[in-house]
Amino acid sequence: DAGVTQSPTHLIKTRGQHVTLRCSPISGHKSVSWYQQVLGQGPQFIFQYYEKEERGRGNFPDRFSARQFPNYSSELNVNALLLGDSALYLCASSLNSNTDTQYFGPGTRLTVL
Amino acid sequence: AQSVTQLGSHVSVSEGALVLLRCNYSSSVPPYLFWYVQYPNQGLQLLLKYTSAATLVKGINGFEAEFKKSETSFHLTKPSAHMSDAAEYFCAVSDRGNTGFQKLVFGTGTRLLVSP
Repeated sequence: DAGVTQSPTHLIKTRGQHVTLRCSPISGHKSVSWYQQVLGQGPQFIFQYYEKEERGRGNFPDRFSARQFPNYSSELNVNALLLGDSALYLCASSLNSNTDTQYFGPGTRLTVL
Repeated sequence: AQSVTQLGSHVSVSEGALVLLRCNYSSSVPPYLFWYVQYPNQGLQLLLKYTSAATLVKGINGFEAEFKKSETSFHLTKPSAHMSDAAEYFCAVSDRGNTGFQKLVFGTGTRLLVSP
């Protein structure tokens, strides 16, 4: 079975622009979580979605939003990009939202100029 | 709030030597604990996880970790390092979903360097 897939692999944007990142979970998984990994640091939790509903949100500004579709894929949107948004954005999928192991995708490298 | 501290941003070992990567956690509830590995320009791969079934957890690629509640530690070990083990290793903690969702809280990572 295919693992978690993310697109695009790399992305370059300028300050003030908007970006949409996409994630497809492992088949059968109903929960998707998003993490931001700034260079040299561990991943930071942004959102978790389960059955198309937001279940949890990390300490990120309202410029960050996400949604989950009926097929359980997900989009992360970031508005009004700042230089500090440059990071590797990781998507993780799990069977449920509470206790199951999260499996990570390869990430999308976002560079904001 | 939960947190993880990984001691040592870089650890260097020789091929064939013991690998020991340290992780201490802080949690107000019994935690789930994880070790993930990240190779350059890749996502995170789960090495092993502790969910209270057994304090000594065996993972992939010969790695294992021992949960020690009295020391609030979850150190990762491997008896004999291989060149392919060179990567970034992250320890993570979660609260077992008590909040209705599972948020992984990661440490800052330890880069393992393996020399011939």
